[in-house]
This record gives sequence, structure tokens and C-alpha cells, in this order.
Amino acid sequence: GNSVTQMEGPVTLSEEAFLTINCTYTATGYPSLFWYVQYPGEGLQLLLKATKADDKGSNKGFEATYRKETTSFHLEKGSVQVSDSAVYFCALTGGNNRKLIWGLGTSLAVNP
Amino acid sequence: GAVVSQHPSWVICKSGTSVKIECRSLDFQATTMFWYRQFPKQSLMLMATSNEGSKATYEQGVEKDKFLINHASLTLSTLTVTSAHPEDSSFYICSVLEGGGPYNEQFFGPGTRLTVL
Repeated sequence: GNSVTQMEGPVTLSEEAFLTINCTYTATGYPSLFWYVQYPGEGLQLLLKATKADDKGSNKGFEATYRKETTSFHLEKGSVQVSDSAVYFCALTGGNNRKLIWGLGTSLAVNP
Repeated sequence: GAVVSQHPSWVICKSGTSVKIECRSLDFQATTMFWYRQFPKQSLMLMATSNEGSKATYEQGVEKDKFLINHASLTLSTLTVTSAHPEDSSFYICSVLEGGGPYNEQFFGPGTRLTVL
């Protein structure tokens, strides 16, 4: 079945550091891939998405590229800010299956 | 995207009582909503798919008689935790499915924190 594997946290960085959160997936067919973010005390928000191979999703300085050959969708940001401190979830939906398959989440703490 | 609200945002109840959580789609008519449960420092667990005008579809291992879901209108789905016990304490999140194609997006409510004493 479909699954998402996400690097374990917590990740602690200093402000302006480079961020990578790894995400790999197993899926049949051609899934859509998502990164969601959950800020402290808030609900989940879609950060970015990609719906086909080689698509790059981007938002708020974050990027992730849909790599079918490596079945990956790693999240990157060149310079993190304290306000990026949150939990990040990688997820996928497969084909006409509307259910989201979630990774376990990666907690990011950015220190000033 | 769709704006989703949940009520209440937190609730504390005594063991054995029932608690109703509302999920409203404020600007979108949602035929499909999802209910999740999130444990501390863990991922989301899909509990059920709520379909407007029909019975909810429950995930394996989720007791449908304990977690009653009603999706009576295109803007409201409710989750009732019946005879709640301390192990039901959790963060419950709903989402609205926007779009009918393969590139569906879900928009999430802010969640409801349930504490059962």
C-alpha cells in the first residue's frame, strides 16, 4: 500500500540556516504530493504541493520537487526564520483515492 | 481555499458522557469531509470519511458506534464521542475536501482538544 516516510525530528537550526526535511514515498500509480505545516496552537495548513513528476511546489521560500526516480519530495528552504518553527508533514494522495497518507511529521525549532 | 471552523476548540468532560464536535465549511459546499485524530507528537490518524447525505465510511479499527458522524448538510459535519473515556482524550481535526478530481486538496479546521477526566 501507499506510505510516506519522513525524517525524524526534532530538527533544531539557527536563524538563516539551510533546511532540508527528507520525505520519500511508496505508491502505486501517480500520486500527488503535499507538505503541510502546523504552527504552534494552529490548524494544519497546506504549504505546497506537486501533482506530477518533476513539478516543483513552492511557497513562503520553501520548495520541494517531485522526484519520481527517487520517489522523494524533500522540503528545502535556503534561510529559515524563527517564525518557521512548526511541525511539517509530508503527505500523498494516490490516483482517485481522496485519502491523504501522512508521514509522522518533523518538528522544526529555529533559534534566533 | 475553503475556510473550515470547528467548535468547540477545546472541551473537558467527565468519563461516561458524550461530546459533540462540529465542523463547518464556511465558504464551500462540501460533500466530503474527513475526521482525524492526532496524538501528541504523532501523525494524523484518519478516523472516517464523512459523506453528505449518507453514512460515514470508517477506517479499520475505528468504532462506528463510539464515534458517531453525521453529515446532514453541505456545510456541517458532526462527530459525537459517545460514552467518552480518558483514552479518548486527543486532538480531533476535521477537513473539507475541495475538488472532485485526482488533485484534491483538503482544508483543515483548527482542531478540537478533548480531555476526558
